[in-house]
Amino acid sequence: AQSVTQLGSHVSVSEGALVLLRCNYSSSVPPYLFWYVQYPNQGLQLLLKYTSAATLVKGINGFEAEFKKSETSFHLTKPSAHMSDAAEYFCAVTTDTGRRALTFGSGTRLQVQP
Amino acid sequence: EAQVTQNPRYLITVTGKKLTVTCSQNMNHEYMSWYRQDPGLGLRQIYYSMNVEVTDKGDVPEGYKVSRKEKRNFPLILESPSPNQTSLYFCASRMTGVTSTDTQYFGPGTRLTVL
Repeated sequence: AQSVTQLGSHVSVSEGALVLLRCNYSSSVPPYLFWYVQYPNQGLQLLLKYTSAATLVKGINGFEAEFKKSETSFHLTKPSAHMSDAAEYFCAVTTDTGRRALTFGSGTRLQVQP
Repeated sequence: EAQVTQNPRYLITVTGKKLTVTCSQNMNHEYMSWYRQDPGLGLRQIYYSMNVEVTDKGDVPEGYKVSRKEKRNFPLILESPSPNQTSLYFCASRMTGVTSTDTQYFGPGTRLTVL
């Protein structure tokens, strides 16, 4: 079985500040990890994914995430927040076993203050 | 344009009145899936399909049915909707069901209210 924990349902940062959204996973087999972003009234859009190649993964819109096996973490970062980054962010895990479904965290809503 | 489409986008109905939410993808994907999104719970998988005529239960299948007669379509059926099925529903697809590394593409969502 696999699971994801996202610490902090709401995160608020100032424009230009560092964005850090936390994700910890649990999996009994090697995981694949994803970050999705959901803008208001829209579907989910892939930001980036880890599929066992490089541990530091770069995504769209200046986001990146680092897979740390020892910490079972896959935190999402962006050096400088922009107003357009305000959205809800979901971390998800899957594996190549069983029904190969994405298991999502509960989401983190990011607010960017001017 | 590669996309997943869902209809309707918004639906208000009453308890017990059968409804169908359609989902279609134009990317020739084998794997399709339905999720529901509820506040504080993230997205949970309802049903999925590895390919045509192959469907199986996800984490929360009770009260739902699906069918996969064609590769591009994967309708979600609520035979007798109840208020606890009020939620935001997403259809998604990815290239294959064999490997999990493929990107999953999501539709725009269907907001369902059951009175």
